[in-house]
Amino acid sequence: DGGITQSPKYLFRKEGQNVTLSCEQNLNHDAMYWYRQDPGQGLRLIYYSQIVNDFQKGDIAEGYSVSREKKESFPLTVTSAQKNPTAFYLCASRKSVGDLAKNIQYFGAGTRLSVL
Amino acid sequence: LAKTTQPISMDSYEGQEVNITCSHNNIATNDYITWYQQFPSQGPRFIIQGYKTKVTNEVASLFIPADRKSSTLSLPRVSLSDTAVYYCLVAKGNAGNMLTFGGGTRLMVKP
Repeated sequence: DGGITQSPKYLFRKEGQNVTLSCEQNLNHDAMYWYRQDPGQGLRLIYYSQIVNDFQKGDIAEGYSVSREKKESFPLTVTSAQKNPTAFYLCASRKSVGDLAKNIQYFGAGTRLSVL
Repeated sequence: LAKTTQPISMDSYEGQEVNITCSHNNIATNDYITWYQQFPSQGPRFIIQGYKTKVTNEVASLFIPADRKSSTLSLPRVSLSDTAVYYCLVAKGNAGNMLTFGGGTRLMVKP
């Protein structure tokens, strides 16, 4: 079954701790994205990557880091510098070449991060 | 990026047709209009995309007038399971990294 897998579904972070959220896709998509969603709000872009070994900051990158060593994987690390990390984190992917109309992103099921 | 405006919330009853309108007055020539649906604690799901006139798929219809400054998502005969948040996005066709999700429209379908 093709899709995007995020893990874990729930994650708890202690003060001063770094935690890593996993995102894997088997859709052969080129671009991958991380969003943060706070209760009752829309999605805000944290980081995105259009090709392997390259990524760009989104609107709220401070306190987060990413890597893109493989096409299929785009892990997000929430560092201790992120003082308010409690949120719902969503990973998405998109095939970035081909049909110009296809700016369609496909999302994972999300990871809910809470601070202990 | 074209800014979009849509109602914060809407209520409907099962079996009714629901129309959600999105305003995008500064839409550019090569912008496309895309709608997503999000259920609680899930990622958004693509519903429909269009450039002009009318687009229909198995889930919804999208109506876009000639001036393209607004669009209307039409959900026929809604059911309780259509209760969700609906997002309207306007972006260039190949600008996936520039998508902006606003607050969306919370649709509540009642029995």
